[in-house]
Amino acid sequence: AQKITQTQPGMFVQEKEAVTLDCTYDTSDQSYGLFWYKQPSSGEMIFLIYQGSYDEQNATEGRYSLNFQKARKSANLVISASQLGDSAMYFCAMIRLWNNDMRFGAGTRLTVKP
Amino acid sequence: SQTIHQWPATLVQPVGSPLSLECTVEGTSNPNLYWYRQAAGRGLQLLFYSVGIGQISSEVPQNLSASRPQDRQFILSSKKLLLSDSGFYLCAWSVNEGEQYFGPGTRLTVT
Repeated sequence: AQKITQTQPGMFVQEKEAVTLDCTYDTSDQSYGLFWYKQPSSGEMIFLIYQGSYDEQNATEGRYSLNFQKARKSANLVISASQLGDSAMYFCAMIRLWNNDMRFGAGTRLTVKP
Repeated sequence: SQTIHQWPATLVQPVGSPLSLECTVEGTSNPNLYWYRQAAGRGLQLLFYSVGIGQISSEVPQNLSASRPQDRQFILSSKKLLLSDSGFYLCAWSVNEGEQYFGPGTRLTVT
């Protein structure tokens, strides 16, 4: 079964600086997708960015970019120019494209300091 | 546009009581539907997913069950709740391998 690992339970970053949240995954599948979600204290899950396993370029969405290193099975999220509103839990997830089975990592709590 | 509804938003139930949480999706057809549970301060645990009416895949053996009586309706149930069933329950939908869209969640406290 696939496994998603987020090794940083908590991270701190200074406002306006960049931060990298780590994510590694373990799968024998060739076709899969990788996601990052943000969960503020309100509990809602907000989609941030998606990377397909066959995408050669790293995905970017505004201040978010996904550093996809397929050989290392890592999919780190980079947030540039951190804002106070970025403080939240961040979850990495992977979906198996053949059966739509999706798994989440344990999450990283990001705190942006003013 | 697509919308996903979950209710109730919060629920307090005694141990041993039944449970029914409902999730409905609007604005799309034949979505993949998912139920997740999130314990306090923890990640999401996939409970059930469904790729079509009457098709349910269970990931975690437990006292919960799921049903999909209609294309855009996904119900999470229990006959007798346990204390360990407390958590934040999230329903999500997706189309094909795309991103999952989450509902607002139901916070369940079993007392």
